[in-house]
Amino acid sequence: AQTVTQSQPEMSVQEAETVTLSCTYDTSENNYYLFWYKQPPSRQMILVIRQEAYKQQNATENRFSVNFQKAAKSFSLKISDSQLGDTAMYFCAFVVRQGGSEKLVFGKGTKLTVNP
Amino acid sequence: DGGITQSPKYLFRKEGQNVTLSCEQNLNHDAMYWYRQDPGQGLRLIYYSQIVNDFQKGDIAEGYSVSREKKESFPLTVTSAQKNPTAFYLCASTVRGYGYTFGSGTRLTVV
Repeated sequence: AQTVTQSQPEMSVQEAETVTLSCTYDTSENNYYLFWYKQPPSRQMILVIRQEAYKQQNATENRFSVNFQKAAKSFSLKISDSQLGDTAMYFCAFVVRQGGSEKLVFGKGTKLTVNP
Repeated sequence: DGGITQSPKYLFRKEGQNVTLSCEQNLNHDAMYWYRQDPGQGLRLIYYSQIVNDFQKGDIAEGYSVSREKKESFPLTVTSAQKNPTAFYLCASTVRGYGYTFGSGTRLTVV
């Protein structure tokens, strides 16, 4: 089974500090894509960062970066200089390919609260 | 601007009634998806379609049906066979592997 596990249901961080959200996944494929999505209270899903498995370099997007450990099947998200607007649900997701089709499989999410 | 439009934003269903959720995209994406979101469950895949006139069941397809007659449209019908339909429904589309674009969702409530 191809699954995504987020082991931290809830986390909190003080404004301006750094927080890391964990994600592990299971796949037998060698080439795939991993994503972190943010869902604020508006419930709109927003792409935070994307990683291609064949690229060893960790992806970064401004204050967001990942620690991609392919052998360990780990894909954690680091948020630096946390802001109140970062308060949201964060979902780790992974593209699964079966035959000629693909689908996005999600973890159950981590609820992040940034405190002033 | 290109994007995905879901309607309505809120929908109420009576017992035994079928309802249809609309999803339209103008991104020229081939693949479209329907997800259901419940508290503590993350997003679970209901149905997906890679091309027009073709679709596959996801993990929780029972009680739902879809059609894909046009590239731009992927409506989801919640049938009376779905015993617990109260949830938040999200539609998405993608260019393979690049990233998935989501609509703003439909909140369905049984009354």
